[in-house]
Amino acid sequence: GEDVEQSLFLSVREGDSSVINCTYTDSSSTYLYWYKQEPGAGLQLLTYIFSNMDMKQDQRLTVLLNKKDKHLSLRIADTQTGDSAIYFCAGAAMNRDDKIIFGKGTRLHILP
Amino acid sequence: DAGVIQSPRHEVTEMGQEVTLRCKPISGHDYLFWYRQTMMRGLELLIYFNNNVPIDDSGMPEDRFSAKMPNASFSTLKIQPSEPRDSAVYFCASSLERSGHGELFFGEGSRLTVL
Repeated sequence: GEDVEQSLFLSVREGDSSVINCTYTDSSSTYLYWYKQEPGAGLQLLTYIFSNMDMKQDQRLTVLLNKKDKHLSLRIADTQTGDSAIYFCAGAAMNRDDKIIFGKGTRLHILP
Repeated sequence: DAGVIQSPRHEVTEMGQEVTLRCKPISGHDYLFWYRQTMMRGLELLIYFNNNVPIDDSGMPEDRFSAKMPNASFSTLKIQPSEPRDSAVYFCASSLERSGHGELFFGEGSRLTVL
């Protein structure tokens, strides 16, 4: 089955770029997602990328996908205090009936 | 739409008691998911429904856990009897049928503490 791995913590200074990394095992994953969870709240979809793409940019967010290495990253430019949250990498595959498998999440801490 | 609504937001109970968590999905969403979040195991999918029918319950940990969806606007997750290791945040999420980017809409969660 699918396994999604990501580091648990990341500290970044305000104004710097944050890069959150993720690796996955199922090469048939068709959609890959980044969700954000703020304290005391549920997860919200931040952005997603199809497996036939290698990059997607959306304002301060850049997603890079390396299919060969099964590596996904999320870059947040000009990190702000409001970006402090847990970021979840997730993947879905048609051979799993599109069931979405989540990583354990990376807690992003912003330093002043 | 108000989004996915879960209740209660917090529940503290004693070991052995029955716990019922409730969820109202977004109107028009055909899929409903129950997840459990803990520090140790992260976010685990327990069960999901399509058009009120349970499709995959392989994530339900034990027979003590059961979930129902009697209609398109309501689902329950029941734990009977509850144990301290069931303490977690339980999330309900819903999605449109086969939406192109598979977005899940999450509720705010029900934090369960079993003493």
